[in-house]
Amino acid sequence: NAGVTQTPKFRILKIGQSMTLQCTQDMNHNYMYWYRQDPGMGLKLIYYSVGAGITDKGEVPNGYNVSRSTTEDFPLRLELAAPSQTSVYFCASSYRQGDEQFFGPGTRLTVL
Amino acid sequence: AQSVTQPDIHITVSEGASLELRCNYSYGATPYLFWYVQSPGQGLQLLLKYFSGDTLVQGIKGFEAEFKRSQSSFNLRKPSVHWSDAAEYFCAVAGSARQLTFGSGTQLTVLP
Repeated sequence: NAGVTQTPKFRILKIGQSMTLQCTQDMNHNYMYWYRQDPGMGLKLIYYSVGAGITDKGEVPNGYNVSRSTTEDFPLRLELAAPSQTSVYFCASSYRQGDEQFFGPGTRLTVL
Repeated sequence: AQSVTQPDIHITVSEGASLELRCNYSYGATPYLFWYVQSPGQGLQLLLKYFSGDTLVQGIKGFEAEFKRSQSSFNLRKPSVHWSDAAEYFCAVAGSARQLTFGSGTQLTVLP
């Protein structure tokens, strides 16, 4: 049981490039989340999903897109990377909304 | 809208000393409350949670927290800190929509 896995661990992008951050969970959780964490700040919710085919915006969705074609996977897409998207990105999942969330190890992204 | 305040950005304690990390929340009804810990380079791990019932909740690693409705607080405590407790601690609240809102975190340093 691997829990929540994220790839890559680190990535450097140039301004305007695009990339997809991968997230997979093997706990059969319906709810999945993407957060970003900036220095000295708590986590901010980017997008979340309540099940396959259903996604919704969180607090800071601009510049990102998500999809949820399966229960296990919840990729986060950056289309035109900007320096403001330099951050650490965490994926999480939970069995029910409001339940304990299980977090992946994070992806550290730098946009130069 | 819900919000969380962690008034202490950084706390330093000696090993073996007691610890209290403060958390105040803003929400009209009784929220779901959580404490998470983040070790360097890692994702977040749940320490404990409060949904209802007994206002003193026990968590992992010897931590406990007390929900005080009158003070809108959910402070985290540990009677004797170990060097391995050095980490960043996040308080989080889930309101009616059951989305987590995180505080900005308290960095704990443990002196030998």
